[in-house]
This record gives sequence, structure tokens and C-alpha cells, in this order.
Amino acid sequence: DIQMTQSPSSLSASVGDRVTITCRASQSINNYLNWYQQKPGKAPKLLIYAASNLQSGVPSRFSGSGSGTGFTLTISNLQPEDVATYYCQQSYNTLSWTFGQGTKVEIK
Amino acid sequence: EVQLVESGGGLVQPGGSLRLSCAASGFTFNNYGMSWVRQAPGKGLEWLSYISSTSTTIYYTDSVKGRFTVSRDNAKNALYLQVNSLRAEDTAVYFCARYRMVIVPHLDYWGQGTLVAVSS
Repeated sequence: DIQMTQSPSSLSASVGDRVTITCRASQSINNYLNWYQQKPGKAPKLLIYAASNLQSGVPSRFSGSGSGTGFTLTISNLQPEDVATYYCQQSYNTLSWTFGQGTKVEIK
Repeated sequence: EVQLVESGGGLVQPGGSLRLSCAASGFTFNNYGMSWVRQAPGKGLEWLSYISSTSTTIYYTDSVKGRFTVSRDNAKNALYLQVNSLRAEDTAVYFCARYRMVIVPHLDYWGQGTLVAVSS
């Protein structure tokens, strides 16, 4: 299986801050990388697909980059409603998709 | 509006079975593959299975192969997950999600989930 490792596991930042979450794959996955946001008690929501493509309706303060084994999710202007856990997910291995362990984002 | 609504979860004893359902609406169900993903209490997401739009292609993660069976009824706009031989470690919220292939595969809509609790 392809292992996905996120860092940090949690972070605390102020409203208006720029926040960056990193996701590393155990082997190259090209751009087969998606990002999801999950608020407490809610279902996950797709934010970014194919590493850098913003899902329709997602605020433009969210952006993604990377290719191969290293990827980042950036929130450019952190808002209170962005408090959530963020997961990366690889869809390169058709037979076995895997998620990162999650990064919990809180407001300072 | 795309809606996915799971049902069928509950408390079951180890070794027991359940049939989870996912009712889809707001899109042409028979045009889309679907997946199941679960989340143990306080833990991360685990992809479980995929079924293509016509049920011709099915995948499972290794930990559930032979115990879980995914199926769908396109006439009823419904997705199912038959879960057998349940273990304590299967305790989780089970989500259904719509599979979309644009540039790369991803899950673009998710249901709210149904809780399966395995305990004696």
C-alpha cells in the first residue's frame, strides 16, 4: 500500500494567518492527490482534486500544490469557519486508496 | 442538489451482520461509481470499497475482503454494503461517497454516515 504522511498532526493559528499542511507519499503518485476538510461531527468535503484543482464552491483562500511525493495544502487567510481536520488522499493505486492521518486546525 | 443518505447501522454483537444502505438523489445515479469509507471513533478515514456504475468493477481494501460485499440497485438509486463477521475493530461511522473521474479519481459528495457499533 501507498502510505500517506501528513504534517503537522495539529496546528493552532490566528485568524488571517497563512497555514500550510504537508502531505508526503511513500512512492510517486504523480498528481493523484486530493484534499478533504472534515468539520466535527460532519462528513468530509472535497476541497482540492488532482493536487491543485479547486472544487467548485470552495473559497479561493484554499490552494494546493505539489507532484510526485510531496504536496501542500495552503489556507491563505485563515477564517474561524476553517476549524476542521484536513486529510490528503491518494487515488493513484486503483485497488487501494489511502488517506493521510489528518491535520487538525484550530484557532489561537 | 446531490444527496446521499446512509442507513442501516446499529449495535451488533461480534460475528454478526448488517446491511448498510445509501440512498442517492439529485444526480443520475447510474452514471457514477460509488465508494464506502469508514471512520473509527476519534480516528482517520479508511477507504473500504468501490463499485463501478454498472457493477462490473468492484474493489475492496484488504482488511474487509471476504467479509464485506458492496452492491447497488440502479433502479432504486441505492448503494449497499453487506458487512459480515463483524469485529470490534469494525466499529465506525460508515460513509458512502460519489466517485468522480476528472483528471484523477476523487470523492466529490459524501453522505452523513451511519454508525456501526460492534460489542457484546
